Amino acid sequence: QKEVEQNSGPLSVPEGAIASLNCTYSDRVSQSFFWYRQYSGKSPELIMSIYSNGDKEDGRFTAQLNKASQYVSLLIRDSQPSDSATYLCAVEGNAGNNRKLIWGLGTSLAVNP
Amino acid sequence: DVKVTQSSRYLVKRTGEKVFLECVQDMDHENMFWYRQDPGLGLRLIYFSYDVKMKEKGDIPEGYSVSREKKERFSLILESASTNQTSMYLCASRQGGGSGLETQYFGPGTRLLVL
Repeated sequence: QKEVEQNSGPLSVPEGAIASLNCTYSDRVSQSFFWYRQYSGKSPELIMSIYSNGDKEDGRFTAQLNKASQYVSLLIRDSQPSDSATYLCAVEGNAGNNRKLIWGLGTSLAVNP
Repeated sequence: DVKVTQSSRYLVKRTGEKVFLECVQDMDHENMFWYRQDPGLGLRLIYFSYDVKMKEKGDIPEGYSVSREKKERFSLILESASTNQTSMYLCASRQGGGSGLETQYFGPGTRLLVL
C-alpha cells in the first residue's frame, strides 16, 4: 500500500515566523510532489509542485524534496494569519496516462497574530 | 481561468434515495476524479475516469457508481443513499499524458447529508 504521511498538527506559529510542514512517502519510484492548501469548508488549491531534488521557491513558499530520504517539505516564510489552513501533501502514484495522486491526511496550521 | 463546477453545494436526501452528483470541467482534461472527505480520514478516492466511458475503482467504490458519457462531465451516483454516505464530495480533473507535474483542479464540493 503506497502511503503518504504527514503530522496532523495542529502546528501553531506566531505571525512572521517560518512554518515548516513535512511529508514522507513510501513509494520510491514517485516522481512528482504537490502541496495543496485547504481552508475550512473549501476545496484544496495548489500551492507548489516539485519534481527535482532540492529547493523550489515561489514567493513566501519553498518546497524541498529529498528523494533519497523520501521526504518533501513546505516552508512558509513570514507566516500570516491568512496562511491558517490545512496543508495537504500529494504524491503522484501511477505512471502513464491515468495518473492518480496519493494524498496525506494533511497538517493543520494556525498562525497566531 | 480553469473551472470545475459541481451541480450542488449542499444536498439533503433520505435514506434509500438515488442521488446524482454532477461535475463539469472546461479544461478538456482526460482525467476526472470523485473523492469524499471526512474529518480525520482525509481525501479518499471513490472512482476516477481517464477517458470517456472509461472508469476505474478507487479506494472506496462500494455503494457508488459513475458515468462519463462526455469528456467534460463526470457523474457520481449513489444507488441507494445511506447515512454513512453523509460527507463532503469533491470532484477534480487533471490533464493526462504529460510530465507528471500537471495540476489537479478541484470543484467547490458538495456537502451531502443523508437522513
